[in-house]
Amino acid sequence: DAEITQSPRHKITETGRQVTLACHQTWNHNNMFWYRQDLGHGLRLIHYSYGVQDTNKGEVSDGYSVSRSNTEDLPLTLESAASSQTSVYFCASSESRTLNSPLHFGNGTRLTVT
Amino acid sequence: KQEVTQIPAALSVPEGENLVLNCSFTDSAIYNLQWFRQDPGKGLTSLLLIQSSQREQTSGRLNASLDKSSGRSTLYIAASQPGDSATYLCARRASGSARQLTFGSGTQLTVLP
Repeated sequence: DAEITQSPRHKITETGRQVTLACHQTWNHNNMFWYRQDLGHGLRLIHYSYGVQDTNKGEVSDGYSVSRSNTEDLPLTLESAASSQTSVYFCASSESRTLNSPLHFGNGTRLTVT
Repeated sequence: KQEVTQIPAALSVPEGENLVLNCSFTDSAIYNLQWFRQDPGKGLTSLLLIQSSQREQTSGRLNASLDKSSGRSTLYIAASQPGDSATYLCARRASGSARQLTFGSGTQLTVLP
């Protein structure tokens, strides 16, 4: 079965370190998204991609970057981790270029920045 | 700012009861609306997606409706079971070029055996 795999599931890092969260999907979807989920803020979009070599900033993109070198992967990099980036991060994908198809989510990465 | 509101934040019902979860949004310029389920420590699972041209969608014991004019969507769960216990989130995708997706904060449902 097709799926989205996020790794690691849990990560503890120190302030100022660079961290990369992996996202790999086997749906062969063009669209991929990164969200963070925080109490009181719900799910917020960080970055998204509509295809290889395409990346776009979302609502809360400061301090984060992504790259899309193939269809399957969209790694999220925190360039210099801050305590405010402690959160649960979700990767998602969808098929339709018109965004009229369901979003499929990974199981998340819980990141703690100390 | 586009808002998506889900009330109540938490709901507890006895097994077997039919229930309705509510989702309201401030801007009726909607492209589609999606309902998700989230179990503790897990990602979101898509339940139903309603396109702007549709009034409702059904999957098994779930029925979702969309009323654009009033800015509301409801998720109806028939004959609830303890396995339905989870947080249910709605997400509205706006029409227009950006097609921004905005999530509600969810309703935490507990079905008591």
